[in-house]
Amino acid sequence: GAGVSQSPSNKVTEKGKDVELRCDPISGHTALYWYRQSLGQGLEFLIYFQGNSAPDKSGLPSDRFSAERTGGSVSTLTIQRTQQEDSAVYLCASSPTGAIYQPQHFGDGTRLSIL
Amino acid sequence: GIQVEQSPPDLILQEGANSTLRCNFSDSVNNLQWFHQNPWGQLINLFYIPSGTKQNGRLSATTVATERYSLLYISSSQTTDSGVYFCAVNYGGSQGNLIFGKGTKLSVKP
Repeated sequence: GAGVSQSPSNKVTEKGKDVELRCDPISGHTALYWYRQSLGQGLEFLIYFQGNSAPDKSGLPSDRFSAERTGGSVSTLTIQRTQQEDSAVYLCASSPTGAIYQPQHFGDGTRLSIL
Repeated sequence: GIQVEQSPPDLILQEGANSTLRCNFSDSVNNLQWFHQNPWGQLINLFYIPSGTKQNGRLSATTVATERYSLLYISSSQTTDSGVYFCAVNYGGSQGNLIFGKGTKLSVKP
């Protein structure tokens, strides 16, 4: 498809397990962003990749969260030793070059539920 | 950091009515986007509008950057307009990521 693709669409797991969330950006977009939407916290930034530059990790809430982007395209967000407060919708977005003057386009998100 | 405030927080309309949603921001911005999050959770781009006025069908938006606010106009509302409308900005201190307001929850009744 032409849009940002995220998988899985839903994930239910037990507290303490590790989870991996995947994002496939729009073809040709060099900038990729992860956000989280949770009740009471709204939409918050997690991490930003731009081309081959070091990612901006300033939004990651703890060292249990990490992300990588292989080959400048697909990205994986990993949450280790999940906690109940990690339950949220995780959204990925991409933009053409990451220039601040360009719009971001969002995927449909992964709804993560920690039991 | 920058503050992004949206008003009203909740809005109930009868189908066919018009409405104006407001977004105030506390610092100069490089980028401003309006999104519609539908009841299924999808976040849909409406406008990329750091300044000026744009129109798309029944929707239009105006950003007055010098006065630090943006308005989203919805005319002849339909039930499919229901959902949450978010304003999001990028500014000098955010390194590319968007800062979101808390949204306006719109319910359009038939």
